[in-house]
Amino acid sequence: DIQMTQSPSSLSASVGDRVTITCRASQSISSHLNWYQQKPGKAPKLLIYAASSLQSGVPSRFSGTGSETDFTLTLSSLQPEDFATYYCQQSYSVPLSFGGGTKVEIK
Amino acid sequence: QVQLQESGPGLVKPSETLSLICGVSGGSISGYYWSWIRQPPGKGLEWIGFIHSSGSTTYNPSLKSRVTISVDTAKNQFSLSLTSVTAADTALYYCARVFRTVTEAFDIWGQGTMVTVSS
Repeated sequence: DIQMTQSPSSLSASVGDRVTITCRASQSISSHLNWYQQKPGKAPKLLIYAASSLQSGVPSRFSGTGSETDFTLTLSSLQPEDFATYYCQQSYSVPLSFGGGTKVEIK
Repeated sequence: QVQLQESGPGLVKPSETLSLICGVSGGSISGYYWSWIRQPPGKGLEWIGFIHSSGSTTYNPSLKSRVTISVDTAKNQFSLSLTSVTAADTALYYCARVFRTVTEAFDIWGQGTMVTVSS
C-alpha cells in the first residue's frame, strides 16, 4: 500500500500569508495526486487534481506542483475562508489513500 | 447540478450489517464511477471502494471481505453494505462521484451520514 505523509500536521498563519503544504508518497505515484479542503462539519472539496490542475470554480490562489513522490499545495495569499484542513490523496494504485491532513489555523 | 445524499441507520449493533444508500439527483448515475469514503470522528479519510454504473467494483483490500457496493441504475442510487461491524467502523460515511481524467479524484460529495456502532 502507498502511504501518504503530509507536513506540517498543523500550521498557524495570518490573512495574506503565503502557505505551503507538503505531501510525500511512500513510492512514486507519477502525477496521480489530488488535494482537498475540508471545513468543520462539511464534506471535503476537490481543489487540485493530477497534481497541478485547478478544479473548476476553485480560486487561482490555490496551486499544486510536484511529481513522483513529492508534492506541494500552495495558497498564495491566505483568505479568511481558507482556514480549514487540507488532505492529499493518491490514485496511482489501490487502495486509494489519503494523507493525514494539515490543519490551517488563524494566527 | 449533481447532488448526492446518503441515507441509512445512524446506529448499528456490533456484529450486524451496516447498510447505506446514496441517492444521485440532478444527473444520471450511468457512465460514472461512484465511491464510498469514511472518516472516523476526529480522524482522516479512508477509501472504502468504488463501483461503475455497469456494476464493476473495486474495494479497499483491508475491508474487502466485509464490503459490498452495488448500484441500481433504475433508482439512480448506489449502496454500501458492511458486515460484522465493530466499534472501529464508527465513522462519518460519505458517498462521492469519481472524476476520472489522468487520475481518479472525488469531485462531488454527499454531506455524509454518521454511523455509530454500539449495543
